[in-house]
Amino acid sequence: GAGVSQSPRYKVAKRGQDVALRCDPISGHVSLFWYQQALGQGPEFLTYFQNEAQLDKSGLPSDRFFAERPEGSVSTLKIQRTQQEDSAVYLCASRPQWTGHTEAFFGQGTRLTVV
Amino acid sequence: DAKTTQPPSMDCAEGRAANLPCNHSTISGNEYVYWYRQIHSQGPQYIIHGLKNNETNEMASLIITEDRKSSTLILPHATLRDTAVYYCIVRISGGSYIPTFGRGTSLIVHP
Repeated sequence: GAGVSQSPRYKVAKRGQDVALRCDPISGHVSLFWYQQALGQGPEFLTYFQNEAQLDKSGLPSDRFFAERPEGSVSTLKIQRTQQEDSAVYLCASRPQWTGHTEAFFGQGTRLTVV
Repeated sequence: DAKTTQPPSMDCAEGRAANLPCNHSTISGNEYVYWYRQIHSQGPQYIIHGLKNNETNEMASLIITEDRKSSTLILPHATLRDTAVYYCIVRISGGSYIPTFGRGTSLIVHP
């Protein structure tokens, strides 16, 4: 497809389980972002890649969160030992360049529910 | 990046203009105003951006005051599908840009 694709759309995890969320950005997009959105809140920045390099991971809430983009295209956000407070929608976005006024394109998100 | 202030919610009748305000009184000279919106169960979608001149595209118009301390996003003929949360973002020109969202304005368009 032409847009940013995220999978799965919905994930239910038992507390303590590890999860992996996938993002397929628009082909050729250099920049990739991950956000976490709690119910009723705006998206909160987690981490940012330029190609395969993770340039900013200041928003990752704990060391249980890990993101990678090994070949500069598909990215995976991994959450280890999930907790109830990790329940949120996880959004991925990509952008053609890392600078300038190009807009960011968002996927539909993965809704994670930790029970 | 400068902080923005938006009303938490607004409503508008279908077919009428929706005027969404944003206050960015600490904006600096090299910062642009961006607007995104997020329809329920979707990711945010870029709408428009501007520096100091008014801007218009197929989705909306952006009016920025002369002192640039505030702006208004105008949806000229709101439809039910415009019901969404609208985010106003201020960012520097150039360089690496990470969109940073506040809580936005929840716009409800009613019949």
